[in-house]
Order: sequence, then structure tokens, then C-alpha cells
Amino acid sequence: DTEVTQTPKHLVMGMTNKKSLKCEQHMGHRAMYWYKQKAKKPPELMFVYSYEKLSINESVPSRFSPECPNSSLLNLHLHALQPEDSALYLCASSQGFGGVSYEQYFGPGTRLTVT
Amino acid sequence: QKEVEQDPGPLSVPEGAIVSLNCTYSNSAFQYFMWYRQYSRKGPELLMYTYSSGNKEDGRFTAQVDKSSKYISLFIRDSQPSDSATYLCAMSGSNTDKLIFGTGTRLQVFP
Repeated sequence: DTEVTQTPKHLVMGMTNKKSLKCEQHMGHRAMYWYKQKAKKPPELMFVYSYEKLSINESVPSRFSPECPNSSLLNLHLHALQPEDSALYLCASSQGFGGVSYEQYFGPGTRLTVT
Repeated sequence: QKEVEQDPGPLSVPEGAIVSLNCTYSNSAFQYFMWYRQYSRKGPELLMYTYSSGNKEDGRFTAQVDKSSKYISLFIRDSQPSDSATYLCAMSGSNTDKLIFGTGTRLQVFP
């Protein structure tokens, strides 16, 4: 099973709202990722968690706050977003650094609209 | 110069054609090479994964890596309308969790 699940599928939020995106995998992967994807662009890396610790933050604004409660779950907390933050937010997982392979498996994404 | 270059297309071919998709890269440290297929408004789906140089075949798909030329290819045989999607190449080195993506090539297969 190579499934990564994400909830919700769609999210509309105002600029003053607080919301969270959720991601789950049960493949025993130890690395999990958040990406942002704008239309007709490749995914853009935001954060990497390796063995439940934040290992990469690609200079993402503090209005995005990641959390990894355990090795299967990844959250992205959103607060005071701007309309330009509207995008498809993708979660991915892989065996992680030191693992056998570097294949990343993506979830279906959450389509976020900020009004 | 970008680390990974990929022609954005669009590439339009008739059903049954052989499709060739390509990426070039500049970082000789890359050792892991992936091809993803992404349908509109969906997440990327891993199609092929190759370590170092060589060929890998899976059904109608063949991935080739030529590290000496820093060039990778994905061939699709007997293309179908259901293959219409954006194809992203991605690659990484051996000491990082970070993938570097190409810009993606939009493919349209018409009946």
C-alpha cells in the first residue's frame, strides 16, 4: 500500500481564520514533506520532517506552522494567510535519509482558497 | 541556469504514438531519478524510479538515465488518451531528503 491521505480535500478560509491541514501515511516511512503547488508549476518544497524532527524549512513564512505528532501524521497549521497563499498543498512521504530508497509518494492534496 | 531543465510543452500526439519526455540536469551529485504523472488538480503519482545510470521498464513505460550526459528520458509506448497529463521529472542526491523537480511537460494524446 503506497497511500498517503490528506484532509480536507478543499478548504476556503478568510485571512483572519485559523485552520489545519492533515496528512497520514501507514507505510512506515520516516520522512514526511509539505509542498505548495501553484497552477502550471512544479511542487515547491516547504518543510521536511525526518524521524519526527523538522529537518528542512525552506524559509516559509511563520503563518505556516508544521507539526509532526508521530511518525504517521503530519499537520500544517494555517493562520492569517494571504490570498496569494491559495494553492494546492501536497503532503508526501518517503523512507527517509538512510533508507533503502528515496521515492516520495504524494497524497491527493488539499486545494486551499484564501478569501 | 536551473538545476533541472524540462520542456514545458504542450506535446500533442495521436493515440498509439511513442512519446519521449526528457530532462537535463547540471548537478553531477544527483543519483536518484524519478518520473511523476500528475492529472489536473490531483497529486503527483510516482511512475518510475531509477538509481544511477541505466534503463528500467514497467509495462508501456521505459525510463533511461545517462549520467555522463546528465540526461534522463521517459518513453511511453502505445500512448493512450488516458496518458494525457503533466509529467514531472525529479531527482536527488544521496545525502538529502530534498527532491529537485523539473517544470513538467504537459502531454495530450488525442484519439
